[in-house]
Amino acid sequence: DSGVTQTPKHLITATGQRVTLRCSPRSGDLSVYWYQQSLDQGLQFLIQYYNGEERAKGNILERFSAQQFPDLHSELNLSSLELGDSALYFCASSVDAVRDTQYFGPGTRLTVL
Amino acid sequence: AQKVTQAQTEISVVEKEDVTLDCVYETRDTTYYLFWYKQPPSGELVFLIRRNSFDEQNEISGRYSWNFQKSTSSFNFTITASQVVDSAVYFCALSEARLTGGGNKLTFGTGTQLKVEL
Repeated sequence: DSGVTQTPKHLITATGQRVTLRCSPRSGDLSVYWYQQSLDQGLQFLIQYYNGEERAKGNILERFSAQQFPDLHSELNLSSLELGDSALYFCASSVDAVRDTQYFGPGTRLTVL
Repeated sequence: AQKVTQAQTEISVVEKEDVTLDCVYETRDTTYYLFWYKQPPSGELVFLIRRNSFDEQNEISGRYSWNFQKSTSSFNFTITASQVVDSAVYFCALSEARLTGGGNKLTFGTGTQLKVEL
């Protein structure tokens, strides 16, 4: 158990809908990351927050947004969902913003029907 | 741009065999970190090891060992006396370490599926 929690574990929804994925980092970690794992794209970095501020952005779609709250938990919002958004979404956390090891949560499996 | 290549898509071995998973990386940075993560059938990503670019010393942890060679931009992972529980997908990853600005994104390879059979 990495200490990173993600909810829900599974999510099934329809095209065009909006969902919110939640992540709680390990105690003491200030940085939160979101990654998407799909069969065609592999593991891709989406976005990083550090102590509430956006720190780095990857190939995150405009339909996706994220934020980190004062208690350091983070949410990833996915809207206007398409079939291709079906994937495993991982959250990771680390102590600092630059060098520390990232520990991953169990992931949220999103299925868009 | 950073890139990580894991040319072996799938490896099958019989229990107790040794197996080496290859990882080749590309980066323009002089300071960077290399990682290996394990993804068992249950799906989570488990951290195995981190090396920084200034430390080329090989590391051994039980049946696992890692060989980092900057000259060939490789960071290979060897499992000695493999066991069925080692069956998983193994990912090699690279991160830059830019202290001023930027973040800490991981660039992953495509993974190697290891199957250990009895």
